[in-house]
Parts: sequence; C-alpha cells; structure tokens
Amino acid sequence: GAVVSQHPSRVICKSGTSVKIECRSLDFQATTMFWYRQFPKQSLMLMATSNEGSKATYEQGVEKDKFLINHASLTLSTLTVTSAHPEDSSFYICSASRGSNTGELFFGEGSRLTVL
Amino acid sequence: KQEVTQIPAALSVPEGENLVLNCSFTDSAIYNLQWFRQDPGKGLTSLLLIQSSQREQTSGRLNASLDKSSGRSTLYIAASQPGDSATYLCAAPSSNTGKLIFGQGTTLQVKP
Repeated sequence: GAVVSQHPSRVICKSGTSVKIECRSLDFQATTMFWYRQFPKQSLMLMATSNEGSKATYEQGVEKDKFLINHASLTLSTLTVTSAHPEDSSFYICSASRGSNTGELFFGEGSRLTVL
Repeated sequence: KQEVTQIPAALSVPEGENLVLNCSFTDSAIYNLQWFRQDPGKGLTSLLLIQSSQREQTSGRLNASLDKSSGRSTLYIAASQPGDSATYLCAAPSSNTGKLIFGQGTTLQVKP
C-alpha cells in the first residue's frame, strides 16, 4: 500500500508554455501533499505544501504565480509551471502524507521537466 | 532550524562488504527520521522510518539506528550487493514547522 504516482515522468516543452504535473495517491487519501524540486546532484528542496481544499503554502523564494498548485481532492494534487523558462528545467517530486501518527511520507517517481 | 548532514558524500565498496552511512541532525526534538533510496533519475523509495521512541529499525539487510541525544542516525547495510548502488538520503522533520529536511545524500557504488 501507500503508492504515489506522478505523471508525466518526462516532459519537454518550449519556452513560454505551461506544463502540468499530476501527483496521485493511488491507495490512500492524502491529507497533505508536498512538492519538491531537485537539481542535479543536489538534495530535495521543498517548494510548497498543499492541503486538500485550501491554498498551498509556498516556501520562501518560490513564486506562487509561477508554480501553481491545486489540491482538488484527497488523491490528486497538480503542479503547473506557467510560462516555463529554461531555468525551470529540473526534477520535480511530490510526496503525500496519509495523516497517520507515524508522519511517514510516500514519494512519487518524479517528473523530469526540460524547457527548450 | 533543522539541518541534516550526511557523511560521506560518496562511497565505493566491493561487493559483500558491510557498510555504514551516517546522518546527523541539529534539532533533536524530532518525532521520526526516515531513510530513503534514490536511483538515478527516479523518485524516492522509503527504506526505513524510525519513530522517536525507537532506537532502531530493521528491514532485510538494512538496519537503521537513531540516537536523538547525539543527533545521529546510521544506516547499516549488510553484505552489500551491486543492486544496492544508489543515493541514500536521510530526512528529519523540523520541530517547529514539521517540514521534512533532507540531507545531501550519500551516493553508494558497490562494485562486483
């Protein structure tokens, strides 16, 4: 159990276009989902925290108008990179919490975004 | 503020060796600590979760220990195999925000 799926796993887009990445909890309801960004050979940096039905909380330095997060249901959160630029190219990973008292997080497979 | 550090950054060992990966954290008021594995270009796979009340957790050839007082955790891998080659990340929550803070990871290569 506790499977988190991301789609697409890879996406290439032209500069100026918008890209949507989906994060789904397949076998549990995720009270909270997190979005991370990972640069090559670096660790994960938290971008934002999303709770179902409410606005996402963004980390300092993350542009909320650039990275739109929607957590419309307990099993789906989406990250939309708007007006993408080459510097937005990165590996984006989501994680989900099922609200247990263990605090354990489950991660998706990641989405590689390349902006030309 | 929680800071997580992993040493070494990279490790290369011959197959069959037992090895230890180290993780240290500054905020000892944690409620858990989690170890993950990341293969190149992939997401994270949860390996072990240690609750603050526990001192260690075991899963197969993996054993993770937690010493809150010293702010340290170790991941012990027994009888390493080439398939164990990956980056291993530890993560601990910040006590005031609850957000998970990751170490930089240890990239392990097990040579046949």
